[in-house]
Amino acid sequence: GENVEQHPSTLSVQEGDSAVIKCTYSDSASNYFPWYKQELGKRPQLIIDIRSNVGEKKDQRIAVTLNKTAKHFSLHITETQPEDSAVYFCAARTYNQGGKLIFGQGTELSVKP
Amino acid sequence: KAGVTQTPRYLIKTRGQQVTLSCSPISGHRSVSWYQQTPGQGLQFLFEYFSETQRNKGNFPGRFSGRQFSNSRSEMNVSTLELGDSALYLCASKSTETNTEAFFGQGTRLTVV
Repeated sequence: GENVEQHPSTLSVQEGDSAVIKCTYSDSASNYFPWYKQELGKRPQLIIDIRSNVGEKKDQRIAVTLNKTAKHFSLHITETQPEDSAVYFCAARTYNQGGKLIFGQGTELSVKP
Repeated sequence: KAGVTQTPRYLIKTRGQQVTLSCSPISGHRSVSWYQQTPGQGLQFLFEYFSETQRNKGNFPGRFSGRQFSNSRSEMNVSTLELGDSALYLCASKSTETNTEAFFGQGTRLTVV
């Protein structure tokens, strides 16, 4: 069935370092890949997304890359700051599945000052 | 625009009882999806409603049901509550255009005792 694997489950970096989170999806018909950030006690919020016709997308310190052949996509955060500390979720959506998102298990990112 | 609103924010119920949660989507959004979030299982898709019809369904027992009204507001019902149903229940709304962002509500924290 549909599945999204996310690694690592926890990630600790020093302020200013880069952080990379990787996801692998199983459904080759997936065509939309959002990343959500969830701070403690708050709702998940979209930080960046990528569609299957694009290989890379950047937004300031955040970038996402997609390798459709390998069914991998990754989140890259550069120059990390303490306020980047949160749980990050990747997800995948298939074109004929409406709004259904399949989420990875989440990565708890801790940025130490 | 007002965001996605979920009520109530917190609920405590006893095993065997039933519960109804409500979600009001962003104005103009006709797709509403429900997710269960637990520490062990992450974010799991329950179902999606679009134009008052269930469009997708996840792998949850029949005790979990939902509906959508003509104004796109959605309700989710869980009958015969079990301790394992304790979770944060999130709803998300999106526009009808393909591959667009899903906006989450703040969730309803359900505790079953």
